[in-house]
Amino acid sequence: GENVEQHPSTLSVQEGDSAVIKCTYSDSASNYFPWYKQELGKRPQLIIDIRSNVGEKKDQRIAVTLNKTAKHFSLHITETQPEDSAVYFCAATLVSGGYNKLIFGAGTRLAVHP
Amino acid sequence: SQTIHQWPATLVQPVGSPLSLECTVEGTSNPNLYWYRQAAGRGLQLLFYSVGIGQISSEVPQNLSASRPQDRQFILSSKKLLLSDSGFYLCASNSGTYNEQFFGPGTRLTVL
Repeated sequence: GENVEQHPSTLSVQEGDSAVIKCTYSDSASNYFPWYKQELGKRPQLIIDIRSNVGEKKDQRIAVTLNKTAKHFSLHITETQPEDSAVYFCAATLVSGGYNKLIFGAGTRLAVHP
Repeated sequence: SQTIHQWPATLVQPVGSPLSLECTVEGTSNPNLYWYRQAAGRGLQLLFYSVGIGQISSEVPQNLSASRPQDRQFILSSKKLLLSDSGFYLCASNSGTYNEQFFGPGTRLTVL
């Protein structure tokens, strides 16, 4: 089955710096990789995702890259702001009709200091 | 777009008492539904998923059960709660072509 490892577990940056969170997966058949942001006491929110037919996707200050050969994908946040402080989860799954069972990483706690 | 409702929002229950958490989904049909549990400061543990009415798959052996009596209703139950059942319970749904999975607002359960 799929296994997802996420690093680092905690990340502290100064406002305006970039933050990078990395995940590796084990199942080469996985083809969908979402990222979720969870603020304290709230639900996880889908912030960006990437499918295996593309190598990079951007949405304003966030971007995700995927290296299928190495089986790793990363979240990049540029020009970080205090409101980016949260726990970020990566996930991986094989989407093939029907349901998809997301396998989540353990999470990264990002702190952005003013 | 779909909207996921969960209730209650918070719940404090004594050990040994029963539990019933409800999740309903609007704005979609035939969704795949999921129950997750998140212990304090931890990751997301998948408990159950359902691809249709009456169809439940369990991921982790435990004293919880799930039911799906209607297409857009998913219920998490227990006959006797344990201290270890405390946590943040999240219902999630995915449907459609792109299969993005979205979470409901969650129920925070404290077992005393």
